[in-house]
Amino acid sequence: SQQGEEDPQALSIQEGENATMNCSYKTSINNLQWYRQNSGRGLVHLILIRSNEREKHSGRLRVTLDTSKKSSSLLITASRAADTASYFCATGGGGGTALIFGKGTTLSVSS
Amino acid sequence: SQTIHQWPATLVQPVGSPLSLECTVEGTSNPNLYWYRQAAGRGLQLLFYSVGIGQISSEVPQNLSASRPQDRQFILSSKKLLLSDSGFYLCAFSTSGMNTGELFFGEGSRLTVL
Repeated sequence: SQQGEEDPQALSIQEGENATMNCSYKTSINNLQWYRQNSGRGLVHLILIRSNEREKHSGRLRVTLDTSKKSSSLLITASRAADTASYFCATGGGGGTALIFGKGTTLSVSS
Repeated sequence: SQTIHQWPATLVQPVGSPLSLECTVEGTSNPNLYWYRQAAGRGLQLLFYSVGIGQISSEVPQNLSASRPQDRQFILSSKKLLLSDSGFYLCAFSTSGMNTGELFFGEGSRLTVL
């Protein structure tokens, strides 16, 4: 089944720095999504990028997609302590099928 | 607006006891419904999904079962819990009219089996 694998597993940075997380997947996709999970909470959708898009922005988030390499990256600029969370990429979904998630990147932003 | 409610938030159960986790969705009709499980420090494992009443797809063979008695209600059950059933259970829905598959998650139910 399609599955995203995030890299790195854990990332620690200082406030104000940029955080980059990568995701690789195995099969062709219609879109790729990124989600955020605060500790002990449900996941929240951040951004969706379609297979015919190469880059997408939302506030301090920038997502890129390279379908030839089957990879995506999530960049969070000017990180804040409140960005501390786990971030997951997900593929599949739509048409009644289910999203498959990777294992996530745990981001820790210290002040 | 669309909302999802999941309960109970926390549950401590002995091995061999039954389980019932419930999830309801408001503000949309005929949602696609999902149960995921997240072990400590791990990713999300898809357990069940449903595209309509009485239609349940199981992704992982286990001692859990799911039911959808009403359009916006999804229940996760077990007759006899195992230690390995401990984890964080997440219910989610997607709008059937949206073909992107974007999911909206509940706040989760943390199950500890002792």
